[in-house]
Amino acid sequence: LAKTTQPISMDSYEGQEVNITCSHNNIATNDYITWYQQFPSQGPRFIIQGYKTKVTNEVASLFIPADRKSSTLSLPRVSLSDTAVYYCLVGDQAGTALIFGKGTTLSVSS
Amino acid sequence: DADVTQTPRNRITKTGKRIMLECSQTKGHDRMYWYRQDPGLGLQLIYYSFDVKDINKGEISDGYSVSRQAQAKFSLSLESAIPNQTALYFCATSDPRDRKGYTDTQYFGPGTRLTVL
Repeated sequence: LAKTTQPISMDSYEGQEVNITCSHNNIATNDYITWYQQFPSQGPRFIIQGYKTKVTNEVASLFIPADRKSSTLSLPRVSLSDTAVYYCLVGDQAGTALIFGKGTTLSVSS
Repeated sequence: DADVTQTPRNRITKTGKRIMLECSQTKGHDRMYWYRQDPGLGLQLIYYSFDVKDINKGEISDGYSVSRQAQAKFSLSLESAIPNQTALYFCATSDPRDRKGYTDTQYFGPGTRLTVL
């Protein structure tokens, strides 16, 4: 199982764009990169997934360079409600990405 | 996810007691998981099950056991609880037929807060 490394915490202000980078140097050819969001006292929920280049949905964008050894979750114009822990996971289609790790705690202030 | 329920939601117990945490799901998913969360340590996988006859250890299975009674039920037991098992416990489910992407999407229950005195 490929390990991931993320910053432990990040701070931002409302209205700013936030980029959270995840390192996954040992990612395998068949692995996908998935991000989850966890609000206090709740279970994580899926945000976005990608394999390479760029993926965008209504919540976030995910940028993955050609070598796929890292990925960046981009949250446009954050609000206070985006304060949460964000997890980067790596896993393949045969199973599921199981290792959440410590995640990145994002704190958004007004 | 309201389709994944955990009981109890809160439990206080004493060292040495046997505790069972239960997880039920109405999503019809084959795969189920147990995680624990400690402040500042993220989520750690305890056990997972890909079907009724399949049980696998996760990152931190020592001191825990599980039972997959049916597709919809996955229980976590602490045979003899100790204080450092005080944590928030999450159950999750997934299924290859219910993905938001190319790999399984995990759907989490509301969590059980366990305190061992």
